[in-house]
Amino acid sequence: EVQLVESGEGLVQPGGSLRLSCAASGFTFSSYTMHWVRQPPGKGLEYVSAISSNGGSTFYADSVKGRFTISRDNSKNTLYLQMGSLRAEDMAVYYCARVRGYCTGGGCYYDYWGQGALVTVSS
Amino acid sequence: QSVLTQPPSVSAAPGQKVTISCSGSSSNIGNNYVSWYQQLPGTAPKLLIYENNNRPSGIPDRFSGSKSGTSATLGITGLQTGDEADYYCGTWDNSLATGVFGGGTKLTVL
Repeated sequence: EVQLVESGEGLVQPGGSLRLSCAASGFTFSSYTMHWVRQPPGKGLEYVSAISSNGGSTFYADSVKGRFTISRDNSKNTLYLQMGSLRAEDMAVYYCARVRGYCTGGGCYYDYWGQGALVTVSS
Repeated sequence: QSVLTQPPSVSAAPGQKVTISCSGSSSNIGNNYVSWYQQLPGTAPKLLIYENNNRPSGIPDRFSGSKSGTSATLGITGLQTGDEADYYCGTWDNSLATGVFGGGTKLTVL
């Protein structure tokens, strides 16, 4: 059974940092591109970041570029999102999601999602 | 402001049919596959439709998807109270080089 389990959620002050983790199991993690998608309270879904299966390529939404870093450790079957210079508008539930298809070659989709990790940015 | 446009809400009676539209442009829907997700209250999104009109295993055939030009549609027949949820369309945007979603549509089964 495919499982994605996020951890690292919490309360952080504006300007602070936080690292989210996403532990994967039930599939060959190293074979899949992974994304982070977030959802602000009461709002819709927003793409945050992507990483290729071997970690060699990373992509970011303009809203987080330069502040967030996506990475993965295929030996530990774990995806990470290091978040820095956090702002009020970064407050959201963050989901890790497994990607199928080719995003830049006809489009991709998310077939499995984690349960989400709540990041609260407040003083 | 979402890149893809969905109606904020739709409603219908149990047993009836409803459609949810998703409008985009040539840089996203017009040249890429569309997927649809169901988000029940307090839970993570769940894949309903992928590559415009395909259902993952376990998704009943009451759910269907279609695409024409720069728009896509999710159809749900035989509505049940358990279908009450938020529904999101998603795709890739070639100009933005990011994934994009619609703002979500809240389905109420009256």
